[in-house]
Amino acid sequence: DSGVTQTPKHLITATGQRVTLRCSPRSGDLSVYWYQQSLDQGLQFLIQYYNGEERAKGNILERFSAQQFPDLHSELNLSSLELGDSALYFCASSSPIGGGGGTEAFFGQGTRLTVV
Amino acid sequence: AQSVTQPDIHITVSEGASLELRCNYSYGATPYLFWYVQSPGQGLQLLLKYFSGDTLVQGIKGFEAEFKRSQSSFNLRKPSVHWSDAAEYFCAVGRVASGSRLTFGEGTQLTVNP
Repeated sequence: DSGVTQTPKHLITATGQRVTLRCSPRSGDLSVYWYQQSLDQGLQFLIQYYNGEERAKGNILERFSAQQFPDLHSELNLSSLELGDSALYFCASSSPIGGGGGTEAFFGQGTRLTVV
Repeated sequence: AQSVTQPDIHITVSEGASLELRCNYSYGATPYLFWYVQSPGQGLQLLLKYFSGDTLVQGIKGFEAEFKRSQSSFNLRKPSVHWSDAAEYFCAVGRVASGSRLTFGEGTQLTVNP
Protein backbone atom coordinates (compact mmCIF):
# COMPACT_ATOMS: atom_id res chain seq x y z
CA ASP A 1 0.00 0.00 0.00
CA SER A 2 1.57 3.26 -1.20
CA GLY A 3 -0.55 5.45 1.05
CA VAL A 4 -2.02 7.29 -1.94
CA THR A 5 -5.77 6.76 -2.28
CA GLN A 6 -7.69 7.26 -5.48
CA THR A 7 -11.44 7.10 -5.93
CA PRO A 8 -13.32 5.73 -7.68
CA LYS A 9 -11.40 2.69 -8.91
CA HIS A 10 -13.57 2.34 -11.98
CA LEU A 11 -15.76 4.78 -13.83
CA ILE A 12 -17.90 4.24 -16.89
CA THR A 13 -19.52 7.24 -18.49
CA ALA A 14 -20.86 8.44 -21.80
CA THR A 15 -19.29 10.77 -24.30
CA GLY A 16 -19.87 14.42 -23.57
CA GLN A 17 -20.13 13.89 -19.84
CA ARG A 18 -17.99 15.30 -17.04
CA VAL A 19 -16.33 13.31 -14.27
CA THR A 20 -14.22 14.06 -11.23
CA LEU A 21 -11.41 11.85 -10.04
CA ARG A 22 -10.20 12.20 -6.50
CA CYS A 23 -6.81 11.66 -4.93
CA SER A 24 -5.67 11.71 -1.32
CA PRO A 25 -1.87 11.93 -1.08
CA ARG A 26 0.32 10.25 1.49
CA SER A 27 0.21 11.90 4.85
CA GLY A 28 2.60 14.86 4.83
CA ASP A 29 3.20 14.93 1.08
CA LEU A 30 2.73 18.38 -0.39
CA SER A 31 3.05 17.53 -4.07
CA VAL A 32 0.42 15.79 -6.14
CA TYR A 33 0.90 14.64 -9.71
CA TRP A 34 -1.62 13.36 -12.20
CA TYR A 35 -0.68 10.94 -14.98
CA GLN A 36 -2.64 9.34 -17.76
CA GLN A 37 -1.87 5.85 -18.99
CA SER A 38 -3.34 4.83 -22.32
CA LEU A 39 -2.46 2.18 -24.85
CA ASP A 40 -1.43 4.62 -27.55
CA GLN A 41 0.22 7.33 -25.43
CA GLY A 42 1.76 5.33 -22.62
CA LEU A 43 2.26 7.03 -19.26
CA GLN A 44 2.03 10.79 -19.63
CA PHE A 45 2.40 13.50 -17.04
CA LEU A 46 -0.63 15.76 -16.90
CA ILE A 47 -0.25 18.28 -14.10
CA GLN A 48 1.46 18.91 -10.78
CA TYR A 49 0.30 20.76 -7.69
CA TYR A 50 2.42 21.76 -4.75
CA ASN A 51 0.76 22.85 -1.53
CA GLY A 52 -2.34 24.06 -3.31
CA GLU A 53 -0.71 25.80 -6.23
CA GLU A 54 -0.24 24.61 -9.76
CA ARG A 55 3.44 23.89 -10.32
CA ALA A 56 3.71 22.42 -13.77
CA LYS A 57 1.61 21.35 -16.72
CA GLY A 58 2.30 18.52 -19.06
CA ASN A 59 0.18 17.08 -21.83
CA ILE A 60 -3.12 18.08 -20.30
CA LEU A 61 -6.04 18.91 -22.54
CA GLU A 62 -7.96 22.14 -22.10
CA ARG A 63 -11.04 20.04 -21.30
CA PHE A 64 -9.21 18.76 -18.25
CA SER A 65 -8.52 20.70 -15.09
CA ALA A 66 -7.32 19.97 -11.60
CA GLN A 67 -7.04 21.54 -8.21
CA GLN A 68 -5.50 20.83 -4.85
CA PHE A 69 -7.45 21.72 -1.75
CA PRO A 70 -6.23 23.06 1.62
CA ASP A 71 -6.28 19.55 3.07
CA LEU A 72 -3.95 18.61 0.15
CA HIS A 73 -6.31 16.21 -1.58
CA SER A 74 -6.63 16.78 -5.29
CA GLU A 75 -9.30 16.41 -7.92
CA LEU A 76 -8.94 15.95 -11.64
CA ASN A 77 -11.94 17.14 -13.63
CA LEU A 78 -12.48 15.76 -17.10
CA SER A 79 -15.20 17.32 -19.22
CA SER A 80 -16.76 16.89 -22.66
CA LEU A 81 -15.44 13.37 -22.56
CA GLU A 82 -14.46 11.60 -25.75
CA LEU A 83 -13.86 7.94 -26.45
CA GLY A 84 -10.15 8.64 -26.60
CA ASP A 85 -10.13 9.80 -22.98
CA SER A 86 -10.61 6.21 -21.86
CA ALA A 87 -7.49 5.46 -19.85
CA LEU A 88 -6.06 4.71 -16.46
CA TYR A 89 -5.51 7.91 -14.50
CA PHE A 90 -2.89 7.82 -11.78
CA CYS A 91 -2.26 10.17 -8.96
CA ALA A 92 1.11 10.28 -7.27
CA SER A 93 2.44 12.21 -4.32
CA SER A 94 5.85 13.10 -3.03
CA SER A 95 7.49 15.22 -0.41
CA PRO A 96 10.40 17.06 -2.01
CA ILE A 97 13.46 17.73 0.08
CA GLY A 98 13.74 21.45 0.78
CA GLY A 99 10.83 22.24 -1.51
CA GLY A 100 12.68 21.11 -4.60
CA GLY A 101 13.14 17.67 -6.06
CA GLY A 102 14.86 14.53 -5.07
CA THR A 103 12.39 12.05 -3.77
CA GLU A 104 10.37 9.34 -5.38
CA ALA A 105 6.73 9.54 -6.25
CA PHE A 106 4.29 7.13 -4.67
CA PHE A 107 1.47 6.12 -6.94
CA GLY A 108 -2.11 5.31 -6.21
CA GLN A 109 -3.88 2.32 -7.74
CA GLY A 110 -5.41 4.48 -10.42
CA THR A 111 -8.89 5.19 -11.69
CA ARG A 112 -9.87 3.32 -14.81
CA LEU A 113 -12.09 5.55 -16.91
CA THR A 114 -14.12 4.04 -19.71
CA VAL A 115 -15.98 6.40 -22.02
CA VAL A 116 -18.71 4.75 -24.06
CA ALA B 1 13.65 17.72 -23.40
CA GLN B 2 14.19 14.58 -21.44
CA SER B 3 13.21 11.21 -22.83
CA VAL B 4 13.41 7.55 -21.94
CA THR B 5 13.74 4.61 -24.27
CA GLN B 6 13.05 1.03 -23.35
CA PRO B 7 14.13 -0.87 -26.45
CA ASP B 8 12.43 -4.14 -25.55
CA ILE B 9 8.65 -4.09 -25.65
CA HIS B 10 8.34 -7.70 -24.56
CA ILE B 11 10.80 -10.10 -22.95
CA THR B 12 10.28 -13.76 -22.09
CA VAL B 13 12.53 -15.59 -19.67
CA SER B 14 12.39 -18.92 -17.90
CA GLU B 15 11.90 -19.05 -14.17
CA GLY B 16 15.29 -19.07 -12.48
CA ALA B 17 17.04 -17.39 -15.38
CA SER B 18 18.73 -14.03 -15.09
CA LEU B 19 17.06 -10.87 -16.34
CA GLU B 20 18.23 -7.57 -17.73
CA LEU B 21 15.82 -4.87 -18.85
CA ARG B 22 17.33 -2.02 -20.79
CA CYS B 23 16.70 1.66 -20.30
CA ASN B 24 18.35 4.57 -22.07
CA TYR B 25 17.64 8.17 -21.20
CA SER B 26 18.27 11.50 -22.78
CA TYR B 27 18.84 14.37 -20.42
CA GLY B 28 21.26 17.29 -20.24
CA ALA B 29 22.32 16.96 -16.63
CA THR B 30 22.47 14.33 -13.94
CA PRO B 31 19.05 12.78 -13.89
CA TYR B 32 17.05 11.12 -11.22
CA LEU B 33 16.27 7.60 -12.44
CA PHE B 34 13.63 5.17 -11.36
CA TRP B 35 12.29 1.75 -12.13
CA TYR B 36 8.65 1.01 -11.44
CA VAL B 37 6.72 -2.23 -11.80
CA GLN B 38 3.05 -2.55 -12.69
CA SER B 39 1.18 -5.79 -12.20
CA PRO B 40 -2.11 -6.29 -14.05
CA GLY B 41 -4.78 -4.02 -12.67
CA GLN B 42 -2.40 -2.52 -10.17
CA GLY B 43 -0.70 0.80 -9.66
CA LEU B 44 2.97 1.54 -10.06
CA GLN B 45 5.31 0.26 -7.41
CA LEU B 46 8.78 1.69 -7.04
CA LEU B 47 11.51 -0.92 -7.39
CA LEU B 48 14.53 1.31 -6.99
CA LYS B 49 15.87 4.79 -7.60
CA TYR B 50 19.12 6.55 -8.36
CA PHE B 51 19.75 10.09 -7.21
CA SER B 52 23.51 10.27 -6.76
CA GLY B 53 26.43 8.37 -5.30
CA ASP B 54 27.00 4.69 -5.85
CA THR B 55 26.03 3.84 -9.41
CA LEU B 56 24.85 0.36 -8.49
CA VAL B 57 21.60 0.60 -6.61
CA GLN B 58 19.72 -2.15 -4.87
CA GLY B 59 15.97 -2.30 -4.82
CA ILE B 60 13.17 -4.42 -3.55
CA LYS B 61 12.38 -7.97 -4.62
CA GLY B 62 16.04 -8.70 -5.41
CA PHE B 63 16.34 -6.17 -8.23
CA GLU B 64 19.33 -3.94 -8.88
CA ALA B 65 20.19 -1.36 -11.48
CA GLU B 66 23.39 0.27 -12.65
CA PHE B 67 23.68 3.88 -13.73
CA LYS B 68 26.19 4.32 -16.55
CA ARG B 69 26.57 7.96 -17.42
CA SER B 70 28.81 7.27 -20.43
CA GLN B 71 26.12 5.09 -21.97
CA SER B 72 23.12 7.09 -20.71
CA SER B 73 21.75 3.83 -19.40
CA PHE B 74 20.06 2.56 -16.28
CA ASN B 75 19.49 -1.14 -16.84
CA LEU B 76 17.54 -3.26 -14.41
CA ARG B 77 18.81 -6.69 -13.44
CA LYS B 78 17.81 -9.67 -11.39
CA PRO B 79 19.96 -12.79 -11.05
CA SER B 80 17.10 -15.28 -10.79
CA VAL B 81 13.58 -14.52 -11.94
CA HIS B 82 10.51 -15.80 -10.13
CA TRP B 83 7.14 -16.42 -11.75
CA SER B 84 5.72 -13.59 -9.64
CA ASP B 85 8.01 -11.12 -11.42
CA ALA B 86 5.81 -11.28 -14.51
CA ALA B 87 4.59 -7.71 -14.94
CA GLU B 88 5.27 -4.55 -16.88
CA TYR B 89 8.35 -2.58 -15.99
CA PHE B 90 8.78 1.13 -16.51
CA CYS B 91 11.93 3.17 -16.45
CA ALA B 92 11.48 6.86 -15.63
CA VAL B 93 13.63 9.96 -15.46
CA GLY B 94 13.17 13.14 -13.50
CA ARG B 95 15.19 16.20 -12.65
CA VAL B 96 15.85 18.11 -9.49
CA ALA B 97 13.88 21.20 -10.36
CA SER B 98 10.77 19.29 -11.28
CA GLY B 99 10.64 17.11 -8.21
CA SER B 100 8.89 13.89 -8.98
CA ARG B 101 7.50 14.97 -12.34
CA LEU B 102 8.59 11.99 -14.36
CA THR B 103 9.05 11.06 -17.97
CA PHE B 104 8.37 7.37 -18.47
CA GLY B 105 9.56 4.91 -21.03
CA GLU B 106 7.05 2.85 -22.94
CA GLY B 107 7.47 -0.12 -20.68
CA THR B 108 8.75 -3.68 -21.04
CA GLN B 109 6.32 -6.52 -20.58
CA LEU B 110 7.99 -9.45 -18.84
CA THR B 111 6.67 -12.98 -19.26
CA VAL B 112 8.10 -15.74 -17.10
CA ASN B 113 7.88 -19.31 -18.33
CA PRO B 114 7.76 -22.15 -15.79
